[in-house]
Amino acid sequence: LAKTTQPISMDSYEGQEVNITCSHNNIATNDYITWYQQFPSQGPRFIIQGYKTKVTNEVASLFIPADRKSSTLSLPRVSLSDTAVYYCLVVNTGKLIFGQGTTLQVKP
Amino acid sequence: KAGVTQTPRYLIKTRGQQVTLSCSPISGHRSVSWYQQTPGQGLQFLFEYFSETQRNKGNFPGRFSGRQFSNSRSEMNVSTLELGDSALYLCASSLSGGLYEQYFGPGTRLTVT
Repeated sequence: LAKTTQPISMDSYEGQEVNITCSHNNIATNDYITWYQQFPSQGPRFIIQGYKTKVTNEVASLFIPADRKSSTLSLPRVSLSDTAVYYCLVVNTGKLIFGQGTTLQVKP
Repeated sequence: KAGVTQTPRYLIKTRGQQVTLSCSPISGHRSVSWYQQTPGQGLQFLFEYFSETQRNKGNFPGRFSGRQFSNSRSEMNVSTLELGDSALYLCASSLSGGLYEQYFGPGTRLTVT
């Protein structure tokens, strides 16, 4: 299974766009890139999933370059409630392998 | 539609005892996965069940076991509890596992003394 590497922590201010980059050099052909968000004492929540190029939903965008060795989660205009841990995962089965995640702190 | 429910929410056990945790998936979901979360090791995959069969398994000792019933409800059992088993145990359900979005429950906080 491909291992992911992402920054341990990031700080931002309300209203800013936040980009979290994840490295997955050993991604396999059948793997998808998936991001989850977790608040303290809660289970993770699915944010977005993609295979290549760009995927956008109502909460985030996911950018994946052609070589698929990295991906970037983009959160537009963050608010205080976006303070959480964000996990980048490489998935092709029901077995989710979580890394240490990125703790995003949004400041007023 | 009701979310994933887990019972009990909190549990205190003594070393050497065994414990059974329960998970009810979202209606219609046939895949149930279990995860252990600790401050030191983070979120770790335990196992996944689909249609009453274990389909994926993580790297945990045999003391950790699970099962799934015909209504997709799942139970996880830990025997001979150790202090290191203190953790938040999360259950997640999805339509059929794989690449489908997993919906997590609130977790069961297990404390072993």
